[in-house]
Amino acid sequence: GAVVSQHPSWVICKSGTSVKIECRSLDFQATTMFWYRQFPKQSLMLMATSNEGSKATYEQGVEKDKFLINHASLTLSTLTVTSAHPEDSSFYICSARELGGGAGETQYFGPGTRLLVL
Amino acid sequence: GENVEQHPSTLSVQEGDSAVIKCTYSDSASNYFPWYKQELGKRPQLIIDIRSNVGEKKDQRIAVTLNKTAKHFSLHITETQPEDSAVYFCAASIGGFQKLVFGTGTRLLVSP
Repeated sequence: GAVVSQHPSWVICKSGTSVKIECRSLDFQATTMFWYRQFPKQSLMLMATSNEGSKATYEQGVEKDKFLINHASLTLSTLTVTSAHPEDSSFYICSARELGGGAGETQYFGPGTRLLVL
Repeated sequence: GENVEQHPSTLSVQEGDSAVIKCTYSDSASNYFPWYKQELGKRPQLIIDIRSNVGEKKDQRIAVTLNKTAKHFSLHITETQPEDSAVYFCAASIGGFQKLVFGTGTRLLVSP
């Protein structure tokens, strides 16, 4: 149980294009999903918290108009990198927290999406 | 803001030895402390977690201890094996939505 999938697993795109990444909880419902970015040999940096049916909460320094998040259902959140530039190249990982929990529920991570912007 | 420090950044041990990784956190309201193992290019995998009402938790070769007063927690791996080689991240919960702040990671290398 507690499987999170991400699609695509990797993407190469030209500078200026937009890229959409999907995060799905496969066998549980997630009221909250999180989007992280990880640069090589670095830690996971939280970008935003995605809540089903409401606007995402972005961390300081993350541009909400550049990284669009939509949490349309209890099993799907999407991250769209708009007008991508080479500096947006990174490993993007989502995580999902199961519905109904109180404080401190486990976050289950997706396999990540490696984005390369040329 | 909340900060989690993790040490050491790299750790090399011989197979069969023990490994200890330490983390400190700054927010006294943090109440959930998971540890993740991440292999190269893969997703972080939860290996053990502890909540603030518990001082120690053990699962086979892995144990975590928490000292709330000092605001630090540690991961202990006994009888290390080469397959334990990976990057380990500690994390601490913050905020009403239980966001996690991650430590900087420890690269563990277990030599046969």
